[in-house]
Amino acid sequence: RKEVEQDPGPFNVPEGATVAFNCTYSNSASQSFFWYRQDCRKEPKLLMSVYSSGNEDGRFTAQLNRASQYISLLIRDSKLSDSATYLCGNTGGFKTIFGAGTRLFVKA
Amino acid sequence: DVKVTQSSRYLVKRTGEKVFLECVQDMDHENMFWYRQDPGLGLRLIYFSYDVKMKEKGDIPEGYSVSREKKERFSLILESASTNQTSMYLCASRPRELGDQPQHFGDGTRLSIL
Repeated sequence: RKEVEQDPGPFNVPEGATVAFNCTYSNSASQSFFWYRQDCRKEPKLLMSVYSSGNEDGRFTAQLNRASQYISLLIRDSKLSDSATYLCGNTGGFKTIFGAGTRLFVKA
Repeated sequence: DVKVTQSSRYLVKRTGEKVFLECVQDMDHENMFWYRQDPGLGLRLIYFSYDVKMKEKGDIPEGYSVSREKKERFSLILESASTNQTSMYLCASRPRELGDQPQHFGDGTRLSIL
């Protein structure tokens, strides 16, 4: 079993749709969690950290479920510019382990 | 803003060459990392360093070595490049403190080994 697993997608959604991604992790000692966005042929960029109580940044909401060992990302009112690959990561100690990413295509 | 700079965006080398990839960060971060990213495999950790002159193997260290002589610089070395090392290489850094400190990535080096 991979340490971090994501549905690779692709998710194809129309503009304005709500889309949700999940990410499961196997290391119960993981301390911190993140969502990154990666555009084609670019580096991953931090989208948001994920806090235990859940957190929101505009149209984006992240949640953590420690009991079931997954994190989620909800995107509301999808824009064309949201098209990208979304990577989840979790850190325990020095290392951050990343999922392979979920591809999102938002269509007009 | 954190700035992580990789020396080359695109690099083409020949099989058997010794290849150096350089990474510099300007935020005095203790921890630095080298990953490679391949389609369908995601980000795989090659080596990391938590201090000057300290290094630890990641998940796929074979065929690579690293050097951390100064805090701001972390170099990845392909001792004798092979075609299966063609990939996107990403450097990252983060501060030493444990807790909710994310990694910040450089803009990557696309390396082709012919």
